[in-house]
Order: sequence, then structure tokens, then C-alpha cells
Amino acid sequence: GENVEQHPSTLSVQEGDSAVIKCTYSDSASNYFPWYKQELGKRPQLIIDIRSNVGEKKDQRIAVTLNKTAKHFSLHITETQPEDSAVYFCAPYNQAGTALIFGKGTTLSVSS
Amino acid sequence: GAVVSQHPSWVICKSGTSVKIECRSLDFQATTMFWYRQFPKQSLMLMATSNEGSKATYEQGVEKDKFLINHASLTLSTLTVTSAHPEDSSFYICSARVPGRDGYTFGSGTRLTVV
Repeated sequence: GENVEQHPSTLSVQEGDSAVIKCTYSDSASNYFPWYKQELGKRPQLIIDIRSNVGEKKDQRIAVTLNKTAKHFSLHITETQPEDSAVYFCAPYNQAGTALIFGKGTTLSVSS
Repeated sequence: GAVVSQHPSWVICKSGTSVKIECRSLDFQATTMFWYRQFPKQSLMLMATSNEGSKATYEQGVEKDKFLINHASLTLSTLTVTSAHPEDSSFYICSARVPGRDGYTFGSGTRLTVV
């Protein structure tokens, strides 16, 4: 099965700085790579995703980069704001379309 | 669109009783739904995959006789926690893949407290 590692587990930045979270996975058949944001007590919300035929995708302040050879993908948040503070999860899944397998999460704290 | 409705949002029950959690896909058909459990400050752990009209597939270490899953229609999956104990207290969330899309949509979650 898919083995997912996510780093760092916690990340503290100043408002306006950039934040980068990295996720490594084990299943070379994985072809879909999403990032979720979860606020306390709430459901995970998809913030950005990428398919395996693309190396990078950007949506305003958020971007995801994928390195299929090395089997890792990263979340990049620029110009961070206090409302970006939350737990972020990577959750790749494989071609079989089985369930998302979540990383252990990264707690991002943005201080103003 | 693509909403999964989950009920109840929270429930408190006594040890030894059973609790049923429902997840409904409101505007699409979900042949497969997924059930996750999340303990405080931890990740979402996949418990089981619910398949419409057939038996659920449970992840290793999840007791199928304790966590009963029923997926009797294309829009409804239920998780019943039987003989609940305090260690079953957790946040339970369902999700489904929306046909024609890459993303998965999640229910709002159920906070279960067993006293």
C-alpha cells in the first residue's frame, strides 16, 4: 500500500513569508496529488491538486510542484497570512482509484 | 454541487451502546464511499471503503464486526459503531469521489464521545 511521509510536522512563519511543505510517497503508480487544508473541528478542504502529467500548478498564492522520479510533491504558499494557519495534509492516491491516503499533517502557524 | 451530507455532527453515547452515522451524496451518485477516523491532533486514518451493493473493504486493524458499514443505495452509506467504548471517541468523516472529477468531497464529520 501507499506509504506517505510529510515534512515538516510543524512550521511557523511570519506574515508575508513563504511556506513549503513536502510530501513523499511510495507508490510509483500514483497519479493524483492533492493538498488539503483542515481547520480545527472541520472537514478537510481541497486547496490545490496536480495530476502526474504536470510538473507544477499555481493558483494565486498557492502552488504545487511534482517530482515523479523522486516521488515527492510540495505545497508552496507565498505571502502567507494569519488565515493560512491550519493543518495541511497531502493525500496521494494511485491509479486504482483507491482512497486518499493522508500524510501525518503539517501544522502551519502564521504570526502577524 | 458535489455535496456529501453527514449526520449527526456530534453525538454522545454511553459505553456499550451503538451509534449510527449517515453519509449521503446529495447531487451525485456514489458507488464508493470512504470512512476515516481522526483522533485529536492526528491525521485522517482510512477505516474502510464502502461499496454500494457489496461488502465493505476494511483496512488492517479495523474490526469489521465493531464498525458495521452498509451502503444500500447509490447515495447513502452508514457506519455503525457497535458496543462503543471510550476509546472509540473520535472524529469520523466520510468522503466520496465525484464522478468525472479528480477530487474527493468530504462530509462535515461526526464528533463521537463515548462516556
